[in-house]
Amino acid sequence: EVQLVESGGGLVQPGGSLRLSCAASGFIVSSNYMSWVRQAPGRGLEWVSLIYSDGSTYYADSVKGRFTISRDNSKNTVYLQMNSLRAEDTAVYYCGRDLGAVAGTSAFDVWGQGTMVTVSS
Amino acid sequence: EIVLTQSPGTLSLSPGERATLSCRASQSVSSSYLGWYQQKPGQAPRLLIYGTSNRATGIPDRFSGSGSGTDFTLTISRLEPEDFAVYYCQHYGSSPPYTFGQGTRLEIK
Repeated sequence: EVQLVESGGGLVQPGGSLRLSCAASGFIVSSNYMSWVRQAPGRGLEWVSLIYSDGSTYYADSVKGRFTISRDNSKNTVYLQMNSLRAEDTAVYYCGRDLGAVAGTSAFDVWGQGTMVTVSS
Repeated sequence: EIVLTQSPGTLSLSPGERATLSCRASQSVSSSYLGWYQQKPGQAPRLLIYGTSNRATGIPDRFSGSGSGTDFTLTISRLEPEDFAVYYCQHYGSSPPYTFGQGTRLEIK
């Protein structure tokens, strides 16, 4: 079964750090485009970061310089290292697979269940 | 940066009715890279449509997508009770790679 499972969320003080994990099963992370998407309470979806199959990475302006996306091919897992966290980073963080690597189009066809990050003192 | 504007913000309809949701891009976009998602409370989004008009696996044929250029539409031909949710359009481009619309809430009238 194709599946993504996120973990690592929690409560952190402003200025603190967290590392989110997204473990994949049923497909190979390194052959796909993988992203993190977040949703603040009561708000819409916001793309955060992308790692392509070739390893290149991209970030939303709101997190550039503070967040780092990476992957461990041996664990088939994608990570999001979040530093210098702010109150406005409070959100549910989802990881998602873009079917574009194999389909010549783009859309998030597989989503994790999400992990909540709360930044508060 | 491409901005996606969805309308209406909220759509109130009854089961059995037809729903038409709009997504307008601030500049012309490739129809290959326009998708639609459904999200219910407490759940992750679910892919409905990719490439403007292609239904994702397992999506009922009452859902259809159309459009080109700057104007795209998600149509639900006959609303079922489980269709009441929030719907988002999304585009894949260059910078930033992904943009979402602000969402349309489809509520029971």
